[in-house]
Amino acid sequence: DIQMTQSPSTLSASVGDRVTITCRASLSISSWLAWYQQKPGKAPKLLIYKASNLESGVPSRFSGSGSGTEFTLTISSLQPDDFATYYCQQYDSYPYTFGQGTKLEIK
Amino acid sequence: QLQLQESGPGLVKPSETLSLTCSVSGDSISSSSNYWGWIRQPPGKGLEWIGTTYYDGTTDYNPPLKSRTTISVDTPNNQFSLNLSSVTAADTAVYFCARRGFKNGWHVFDSWGQGTQVTVSS
Repeated sequence: DIQMTQSPSTLSASVGDRVTITCRASLSISSWLAWYQQKPGKAPKLLIYKASNLESGVPSRFSGSGSGTEFTLTISSLQPDDFATYYCQQYDSYPYTFGQGTKLEIK
Repeated sequence: QLQLQESGPGLVKPSETLSLTCSVSGDSISSSSNYWGWIRQPPGKGLEWIGTTYYDGTTDYNPPLKSRTTISVDTPNNQFSLNLSSVTAADTAVYFCARRGFKNGWHVFDSWGQGTQVTVSS
């Protein structure tokens, strides 16, 4: 199985900050990586697919980059609605696997 | 507007079978463009992929769950289902159904149901 490791596990930041979350794959997954945002009691929401493609309707302050084994999700200027947990997921090969999550908290 | 809605018992006894259904509106289960899947999230933990099905009945399962899992499609009713047998407390989780839509070369979970809590307890 491909292991996905996110860092940090928790991130404290303020409105207006630029933040970056990293996701590393144990094997190369080309660009088959997605990023999701999840708020408490809600389903995950797709933000980014194929490493750097912004899902329709997602604000442009979200961006993704990377290929192979190292990927990043960047939020250019944090808004109050962005405080949530973020997950990466590889869909290069079965079994599909998720990172453990990064909780973005208000500082 | 695509909508997915999970339904099924919220409480299942140990050793019994967990059965959930995902009703789909706004898209056709019979479409060759998409796959359909189940993901779960134990309380306070991360996401775990359970398995995926295609309109023709093809399935793929997460190996640790494969021996206990069956996912099937019901095309006349535009829904798909999950059966997980011999459940234990470790199967207590929120269960999500989701569509894997085709985007830029492959299929990604682009639309999710709201999730349903399933507790395994006697």
